Amino acid sequence: QSALTQPASVSGSPGQSITISCTGTSSDIGGYNYVSWYQQHPGKAPKLMIYDVSNRPSGVSNRFSGSKSGNTASLTISGLQSEDEADYYCSSYTSNTALAALAVLFGGGTKLTVL
Amino acid sequence: QVQLVESGGGVVQPGGSLRLSCTASGFTFNDYGMHWVRQAPGKGLEWVAFIRYDGRNKYYSDSVKGRFTISRDDSKSGLYLRMNSLRLEDTAVYFCAKSPGGWAMDVWGKGTTVIVSS
Repeated sequence: QSALTQPASVSGSPGQSITISCTGTSSDIGGYNYVSWYQQHPGKAPKLMIYDVSNRPSGVSNRFSGSKSGNTASLTISGLQSEDEADYYCSSYTSNTALAALAVLFGGGTKLTVL
Repeated sequence: QVQLVESGGGVVQPGGSLRLSCTASGFTFNDYGMHWVRQAPGKGLEWVAFIRYDGRNKYYSDSVKGRFTISRDDSKSGLYLRMNSLRLEDTAVYFCAKSPGGWAMDVWGKGTTVIVSS
């Protein structure tokens, strides 16, 4: 199982908007609406920010939004704040019908720097 | 409050075994599927295994299939990961995470560290 593809890093200034992409295949992102996004600060556990492509858990700021087009999912953060500086990971359910394997794939992670 | 606490990590030699535990509180454990996810030093997240809420179905990543076994004991609100034939590349922080339904992970523990070293 190959990881989903994310940019290694993105940056933005406070108040700006940024988008992190996550590219997979028709067997994962393109085939199912089970894309999630996680925020991880150094030394901390990941935190769920978006689930099922575009849903926000209770307590997550509405500055975070998710979308999907074809085999690519995106996380957009608007009104960047210093506390948004963290690593972000996408994940997706995947099925490999050839092997009858079901699994979860993660992206390699994107380091967001708030300038 | 909803909480997951992992334990059982440590230092083990290559080829050795270890059993990780995750104790849940603050929610009805047997209503939810559970994941194990790991993170090697300085690396990204890697999904390891998932067990359905009823324990009937278990899924594993290719990298651990045949070596690791996920299980649960609902009477103890416990999730477990039995790890056999450990390799150097299994060195990581291991997190347990709750599935709210679907395949997301909405609650995470703080992790337990496994170091495989000779």
